[in-house]
Amino acid sequence: DADVTQTPRNRITKTGKRIMLECSQTKGHDRMYWYRQDPGLGLRLIYYSFDVKDINKGEISDGYSVSRQAQAKFSLSLESAIPNQTALYFCATSLDNDIQYFGAGTRLSVL
Amino acid sequence: GDSVTQMEGPVTLSEEAFLTINCTYTATGYPSLFWYVQYPGEGLQLLLKATKADDKGSNKGFEATYRKETTSFHLEKGSVQVSDSAVYFCALSDWNDYKLSFGAGTTVTVRA
Repeated sequence: DADVTQTPRNRITKTGKRIMLECSQTKGHDRMYWYRQDPGLGLRLIYYSFDVKDINKGEISDGYSVSRQAQAKFSLSLESAIPNQTALYFCATSLDNDIQYFGAGTRLSVL
Repeated sequence: GDSVTQMEGPVTLSEEAFLTINCTYTATGYPSLFWYVQYPGEGLQLLLKATKADDKGSNKGFEATYRKETTSFHLEKGSVQVSDSAVYFCALSDWNDYKLSFGAGTTVTVRA
């Protein structure tokens, strides 16, 4: 089983809908991250969490919210999806300021 | 702020060819440098890293040397295989920072 699991793997939704992307990890790390990947832009950080009570905005948090339900679970929500949120979303975990471990990604299309 | 610039792709090579992907960085502190690889349909995984100047990271035949004087961390492999087809990301993490700064990614396709 994967150390970092993202669900769903693919999602198509309509403009204005609320959706949630989920991430769970078995590595026992305190730190978790949400990124989006767009062609030619690399990965950009949306939100990060250093523990259950510590959640912070990243570079591009507008239009997104997160919930850290437990050490192992970190969910990303799009309150009202819009087409320019169509992207590949990755969850990651880390022990410290070193290696990050990524899930397989969620491909989201907003029509 | 910290940033990473890597060569644009896509790069297409024949099997057994030499691969170089250039990466330069800007950082205010003492960053650790990473190469991550993303195979088709998968998430990113660490390929190699270097934590201080003149360190060489290596893995799976790939190498990169941390060059502080040229602020570079170029990725090289002497003889690529079809299985090396992937997107490669250069990234840095400053010692007092929480986040990875990524380059735009370079798509590499190796043809048999």
